[in-house]
Amino acid sequence: EVQLEQSGAEVKKPGESLRLSCKVSGYTFINSWIIWVRQVPGRGLEYMGRIDPSDSYTNYSPAFRGHVTISSDKSISTAYLEWRSLKASDTAIYYCAREDMNYFDPWGQGTLVTVSS
Amino acid sequence: QSVLTQPPSVSGAPGQRVTISCTGTSSNIGATYDVHWYQQLPGTAPKLLIYGNNNRPSGVPDRFSGSRSGTSASLAITGLQAEDEADYYCQSYDNSLSGWLFGGGTKLTVL
Repeated sequence: EVQLEQSGAEVKKPGESLRLSCKVSGYTFINSWIIWVRQVPGRGLEYMGRIDPSDSYTNYSPAFRGHVTISSDKSISTAYLEWRSLKASDTAIYYCAREDMNYFDPWGQGTLVTVSS
Repeated sequence: QSVLTQPPSVSGAPGQRVTISCTGTSSNIGATYDVHWYQQLPGTAPKLLIYGNNNRPSGVPDRFSGSRSGTSASLAITGLQAEDEADYYCQSYDNSLSGWLFGGGTKLTVL
């Protein structure tokens, strides 16, 4: 069974750094892109960007480029989403998902990030 | 505002049929890129519901169906059940953005 297991909820202060993880199992990690999606509580889904784990090639939605970094470690089948300096507006649930052909399946369970002073 | 436009909400009584529209432009749905649909039950992660415009993953009831025409797509749900109450999102590719995008989402209420 294909599964994406995300790291636990985080509470951070503005300006702090953070790295979320997404560990996959049940398929060969390097064979599929991994995407990240943001969902502000009560709002819709926003595509952030994606990574090809075979060579770590990334591309980002213009709305998120320069503010987050997506990376991966194929030795442990894990993708990451990272911030160097969080803002209060980064408070949201973040999902990873496998890009299968041109749709997303399955999804991780989500990680709630709260940024507050 | 999302490039893929969905109605914020739809509703229907149990047993009825409802449709959710997803209106795009010539740079996404109108460019014949596939449309996919996701269901997000309250407090859970999104789940793939329809892929490739009109295909159901295994385990998805045949009450759910999708279609695409021109610059729009639609999700139809027949025989509405209480458990269908959720948020629904369409997704496609946009060649002007060179990336994936989601519709704004539609909240389905079962009366």
